[in-house]
Amino acid sequence: SAVISQKPSRDICQRGTSLTIQCQVDSQVTMMFWYRQQPGQSLTLIATANQGSEATYESGFVIDKFPISRPNLTFSTLTVSNMSPEDSSIYLCSAFLNTEAFFGQGTRLTVV
Amino acid sequence: GENVEQHPSTLSVQEGDSAVIKCTYSDSASNYFPWYKQELGKRPQLIIDIRSNVGEKKDQRIAVTLNKTAKHFSLHITETQPEDSAVYFCAAYSSASKIIFGSGTRLSIRP
Repeated sequence: SAVISQKPSRDICQRGTSLTIQCQVDSQVTMMFWYRQQPGQSLTLIATANQGSEATYESGFVIDKFPISRPNLTFSTLTVSNMSPEDSSIYLCSAFLNTEAFFGQGTRLTVV
Repeated sequence: GENVEQHPSTLSVQEGDSAVIKCTYSDSASNYFPWYKQELGKRPQLIIDIRSNVGEKKDQRIAVTLNKTAKHFSLHITETQPEDSAVYFCAAYSSASKIIFGSGTRLSIRP
């Protein structure tokens, strides 16, 4: 199994500012993913982050709004840029290990 | 694009009865189908999974069936207990090497 540490666990941010969320995996993994989960809703994939290449974004998500870094096989960051109240959500990172997906504990973001 | 549909969105069953959640997927190349349980305020946790070369898998009170021809798979929980109350998500590992989640089922166990 894999252990994923995600931080911060929660934050309250002013609109117009940016927040960077970090994920650290205790194993080397090729693929990491970032999801958004609105309260009571399913997980929506934002992007796939592979080490050594640009992240691949899903429809409706763009790099300028959600820049992602993947500097090595155990770490990734997601930045939520120029935040608005509509960005308030839970953000989860995920990593594949032997095709099983493990999740970080999530970041609960509130934009005021 | 890839899509996973899940039904029902809410399910309430009497303690001790069985619960069934059904999902369909669109990507015929999908070959791995995990199920996740998410309790309030917590991260999703894998409870069971099935690969495309298997039609059924069971783990104690939980079982999953897969029909590749029809592109649907189901989760079965028998002898339900209060601690089974949670939101359950089905998912499919697509040919694009990503996991697509269903919309979730909120399962409530009535005492």
